[in-house]
Amino acid sequence: DAGVTQSPTHLIKTRGQQVTLRCSPKSGHDTVSWYQQALGQGPQFIFQYYEEEERQRGNFPDRFSGHQFPNYSSELNVNALLLGDSALYLCASSSPTGVGEKLFFGSGTQLSVL
Amino acid sequence: QKEVEQNSGPLSVPEGAIASLNCTYSDRGSQSFFWYRQYSGKSPELIMSIYSNGDKEDGRFTAQLNKASQYVSLLIRDSQPSDSATYLCAVRSTGGFKTIFGAGTRLFVKA
Repeated sequence: DAGVTQSPTHLIKTRGQQVTLRCSPKSGHDTVSWYQQALGQGPQFIFQYYEEEERQRGNFPDRFSGHQFPNYSSELNVNALLLGDSALYLCASSSPTGVGEKLFFGSGTQLSVL
Repeated sequence: QKEVEQNSGPLSVPEGAIASLNCTYSDRGSQSFFWYRQYSGKSPELIMSIYSNGDKEDGRFTAQLNKASQYVSLLIRDSQPSDSATYLCAVRSTGGFKTIFGAGTRLFVKA
């Protein structure tokens, strides 16, 4: 049973560039959430996708956008990169059942913006 | 006020001792509470979930929830050096779909 897979593992970009990160959810999961984790901080919610729609969004600017495909995989796009976007980007999949939505995380993409 | 607050630590305990990790949350209507473990350089891994007041035990781990005090805790019995990690408290928000994480508590278990 494949877990959550993310690509690429590491990425180095320069300010102003654009980046696309990819995520395939755990088998049987239909919901994908994206988080940003800065060094020494907890994960910060970016947005969640369900049924190919953005279902909820955190306090992130419009430079952060996403997409979910019919096979439930997802992409996170960040435009006009800033130095402050350097962080670990985590994808988490889940299958919403009742009140408890347990998140299963991928190994993350470490983004460095120079 | 932060939505989920944890003491950043580090919390240092000797091998074999009980480690006690605490968390408070601001949304009184929250219904779902989680503890995740994150090893250095790795992604978070779910270790406990709790939904009703009281204690929930799973092996060496016990999660405790007190909704009246908006307080969640995690006890680790017989702590091992392999338990050394950052422990993230997470709360599912009401009226939405996001799970909110605290900043985490770093735990060191000394052999």
